[in-house]
Amino acid sequence: ELKVEQNPLFLSMQEGKNYTIYCNYSTTSDRLYWYRQDPGKSLESLFVLLSNGAVKQEGRLMASLDTKARLSTLHITAAVHDLSATYFCAVLNQAGTALIFGKGTTLSVSS
Amino acid sequence: GAGVSQSPRYKVTKRGQDVALRCDPISGHVSLYWYRQALGQGPEFLTYFNYEAQQDKSGLPNDRFSAERPEGSISTLTIQRTEQRDSAMYRCASSLFTAGGTWDEQFFGPGTRLTVL
Repeated sequence: ELKVEQNPLFLSMQEGKNYTIYCNYSTTSDRLYWYRQDPGKSLESLFVLLSNGAVKQEGRLMASLDTKARLSTLHITAAVHDLSATYFCAVLNQAGTALIFGKGTTLSVSS
Repeated sequence: GAGVSQSPRYKVTKRGQDVALRCDPISGHVSLYWYRQALGQGPEFLTYFNYEAQQDKSGLPNDRFSAERPEGSISTLTIQRTEQRDSAMYRCASSLFTAGGTWDEQFFGPGTRLTVL
């Protein structure tokens, strides 16, 4: 059974500092997704990582995928308040029919 | 164009009643997914459609839950004889091509908040 674990589950960040959140998954998959969710809102797609070694960057966020280690990281550079939200990673199951989500990492940025 | 839409946005019902939740995917999207999200948790997969064919219903919790997509566009998730434990946010997502293909990014709708009293 595919399981996805994120850590930390909560992260209090200071403005201007760098942070990394981690996403581990239990069985082989070559597709990993990062979503952002603001309170009371739907999920917004951030990154789709399709292969080993894939790296994508958007603004202060950079995501990477290591399929051999079954690990994805989401790196935050110089945190700003706008990044406060819950971030989910999700892995496509082997059948290719469902995304299996982690529990999410809630980021809070303070000055 | 418009994103994924869902209706109603909020539904309050009494235990034992049936409810039907509607999803209107992005126009032209082949694949449609239903998820359930409890407060403070990630979405949990319920079922998947490729066009009108329900190809994976392994996430439906029991036989009170069913879904259909008769014309390959709008989908309805039906919960019969609702129970309090069914209370959650029900989200629909759609993607352009079949899951696993290059363009299988899933776009999520705003959800239907179901409360069973």
